[in-house]
Amino acid sequence: EIVLTQSPATLSLSPGERATLSCRASQSVSSYLAWYQQKPGQAPRLLIFDAANRATGIPARFTGSGSGTDFTLTISSLEPEDFAVYYCQQGSHWPTFGQGTKVEIK
Amino acid sequence: EVQLAESGGGLVQPGGSLRLSCAASGFTVSPNYMSWVRQAPGKGLEWVSIIYPDGATYYADSVKGRFTISRDKSKSTLYLQMNSLRVEDTAIYYCGVSGSPNLGDSWGQGTLVTVSS
Repeated sequence: EIVLTQSPATLSLSPGERATLSCRASQSVSSYLAWYQQKPGQAPRLLIFDAANRATGIPARFTGSGSGTDFTLTISSLEPEDFAVYYCQQGSHWPTFGQGTKVEIK
Repeated sequence: EVQLAESGGGLVQPGGSLRLSCAASGFTVSPNYMSWVRQAPGKGLEWVSIIYPDGATYYADSVKGRFTISRDKSKSTLYLQMNSLRVEDTAIYYCGVSGSPNLGDSWGQGTLVTVSS
């Protein structure tokens, strides 16, 4: 099983600041890496697929990058609605998720 | 608009069975990859099962031999038959759809399964 390790566990930022979330895979997943956003009481929402492609309707402030084992999700300027938990997920082998990064209001 | 609505969750004793349903609208079930993902209370996400357009099915090791995924094309419904349930199966179960394998483009709101005596 491919293990995804996300860092940091919690990111405390203010609206308007830049958020940088990391995801590291235990072995190469090529570009088969997705990012999801989840708010309390809601289902996950797909943000990024294939490492760098925004899903339909996702604002341009969300950017994914990386390949192989190291990936990054960047939110260029945090909006109030962006405070949530973010999960990375690999689809190279049996799909697995990272443990999540909580982006909270500072 | 793609919509998914799960049902069938509830309280069941260890060793019991439950069948979850996921009603799909706004798209056709059979040409897509349909999945079940679960989330234990306060925990992260775990992929449970996938059914491919060709009907092939795949399972997480934690549920293999106990859970069965299936679909009814005429009813546009996805199912998850869960047998020999364990306390550790307690979770919200989400169904999802994608045009690609091992991905979830859209998800339903989930149904809670509680396994407890």
